[in-house]
Amino acid sequence: GAVVSQHPSRVICKSGTSVKIECRSLDFQATTMFWYRQFPKKSLMLMATSNEGSKATYEQGVEKDKFLINHASLTLSTLTVTSAHPEDSSFYICSATPRRANTEAFFGQGTRLTVV
Amino acid sequence: QKEVEQNSGPLSVPEGAIASLNCTYSDRVSQSFFWYRQYSGKSPELIMSIYSNGDKEDGRFTAQLNKASQYVSLLIRDSQPSDSATYLCAVSGASKIIFGSGTRLSIRP
Repeated sequence: GAVVSQHPSRVICKSGTSVKIECRSLDFQATTMFWYRQFPKKSLMLMATSNEGSKATYEQGVEKDKFLINHASLTLSTLTVTSAHPEDSSFYICSATPRRANTEAFFGQGTRLTVV
Repeated sequence: QKEVEQNSGPLSVPEGAIASLNCTYSDRVSQSFFWYRQYSGKSPELIMSIYSNGDKEDGRFTAQLNKASQYVSLLIRDSQPSDSATYLCAVSGASKIIFGSGTRLSIRP
């Protein structure tokens, strides 16, 4: 099956610093990538939809200036958590869909972010 | 109304029994339907996809789709403790895929 690689898998950072998470589709072109966050024992929460070559679409309540998304190519999207705070600690997961309709989403391995 | 709805559970099923997970969706033009399994602390993994009305079987898993009633279900036969996880229903159309909030399944020995 298709592979989506997410990096890093774990990161610990200090409050006030920024963290960048990469999501790559390794064997297909992804016009759309999605970013989710998930708190312990809670469901996936869609943060934003990232479209190649255009601005990301953020879900209600997600601060676009805090969670910067860049989808510069058909195989790479990045999420930057700016000025991170302990409440940003969470599991961040990306997914990507190939360039055709009605297809499944493929998930990255997730990034466990801990802000201390 | 949410676009994809699932009972959050937890659904507790004895080992060896059949686990039945249900999902309803609101967009009638949806074309593709998926079930993902997510273990705690891990990313979701695709376990079944179904595109036409009826049943689709893969090992111990059977996906059922009824487009007229706008529901899709997943049956797990001979449930094992390793099936304990959260199961996410996903519905795909022309431009996006929408996930339900997931059902937590617990298989008790």
